[in-house]
Amino acid sequence: EPEVTQTPSHQVTQMGQEVILRCVPISNHLYFYWYRQILGQKVEFLVSFYNNEISEKSEIFDDQFSVERPDGSNFTLKIRSTKLEDSAMYFCASTAARGYNQPQHFGDGTRLSIL
Amino acid sequence: AQRVTQPEKLLSVFKGAPVELKCNYSYSGSPELFWYVQYSRQRLQLLLRHISRESIKGFTADLNKGETSFHLKKPFAQEEDSAMYYCALSGIQGGSEKLVFGKGTKLTVNP
Repeated sequence: EPEVTQTPSHQVTQMGQEVILRCVPISNHLYFYWYRQILGQKVEFLVSFYNNEISEKSEIFDDQFSVERPDGSNFTLKIRSTKLEDSAMYFCASTAARGYNQPQHFGDGTRLSIL
Repeated sequence: AQRVTQPEKLLSVFKGAPVELKCNYSYSGSPELFWYVQYSRQRLQLLLRHISRESIKGFTADLNKGETSFHLKKPFAQEEDSAMYYCALSGIQGGSEKLVFGKGTKLTVNP
């Protein structure tokens, strides 16, 4: 079964540094999402992306965050200047079609640790 | 506001016992409800969704709009059911397809 893949599995970065988290969605999927989960808290929506544009973003997704689909396969989340509170698991998800009843397929996540 | 509440952080049952993981939601329109499961060190996987009305791995969930609940049930728990379970909601309010998650319930099935 095709899967969403995320790299790296664990990223350790100094505060203030830029970090890029990478995702390869399922190949025929068109809608992409990033979520994050701070330790002990719920999974929170960050951003959705379709047709090379952000469809929706949450309050968490401020100017320090950006997303990009640089080629036909990768979908990246960039944090420009990391803060301690950015430490979390970051999950990428994708769906084949639009619609609120479409199941989202998740990757394994990237654990981001900010020192 | 969209909100999902899973009142139990931890739930422990014995193998063969019935299990019910509670989920309540707050949403002004007609939501789509999902249950996701995360086994140890694995990804979030879709377990079931209310629109499908299916039973996966013996689990079922019924949407009760009157009580705004979507509890997950299984009549006879198995040890391999031990995992984190997340209830999630999506809806067309404001054209949003994002998932809103509960905090999750950690289910432990003891031998």
